[in-house]
Amino acid sequence: QQQVKQSPQSLIVQKGGISIINCAYENTAFDYFPWYQQFPGKGPALLIAIRPDVSEKKEGRFTISFNKSAKQFSLHIMDSQPGDSATYFCAASMRSGGYNKLIFGAGTRLAVHP
Amino acid sequence: NAGVTQTPKFRILKIGQSMTLQCTQDMNHNYMYWYRQDPGMGLKLIYYSVGAGITDKGEVPNGYNVSRSTTEDFPLRLELAAPSQTSVYFCASSYSSDIQYFGAGTRLSVL
Repeated sequence: QQQVKQSPQSLIVQKGGISIINCAYENTAFDYFPWYQQFPGKGPALLIAIRPDVSEKKEGRFTISFNKSAKQFSLHIMDSQPGDSATYFCAASMRSGGYNKLIFGAGTRLAVHP
Repeated sequence: NAGVTQTPKFRILKIGQSMTLQCTQDMNHNYMYWYRQDPGMGLKLIYYSVGAGITDKGEVPNGYNVSRSTTEDFPLRLELAAPSQTSVYFCASSYSSDIQYFGAGTRLSVL
């Protein structure tokens, strides 16, 4: 129940295309769903996040779609650029033992070809 | 403002050796975390701290120890290193919200 399942493991997209990464969870106690972006040799950095009371959040070319009934959420990258090539992690957070417990998906390695 | 700083960046250990991974943050965050990242896996929480003097186990604490004597520092100690501890280790911190800020990581190989 504490897992976050992420797909696909890897994704190749042409420049200008749309990248879509999907995640699913089981535990309804999760109340915050961030996406992290990680470049090689760097730590993950928060990209965009959503709470379950909204169905979509957009920040520039990045959009999170959230389906509470299906317990699924996805990241859409519009007009994908080579600079977007990175590993993307979805995560789900809930309050546990005095801190915000963050459960990560396994990651998606995105390559955007020029 | 450096954020979260981890040292060293790389380290090779022999089986049975011990070492300390250093982590310091300059954002005055109460919460600090240690994760490990293995190929094809997400980040797994090793230990966390909600403030100076307070630490607790995460999902994969075996073989590790931590201490938190100051708000800024949260070192991770590996005793009797084993090949299974070969991984990339990330330290993170947060104020009290869900947003965690990560360091650049320490890549550790145990041979």
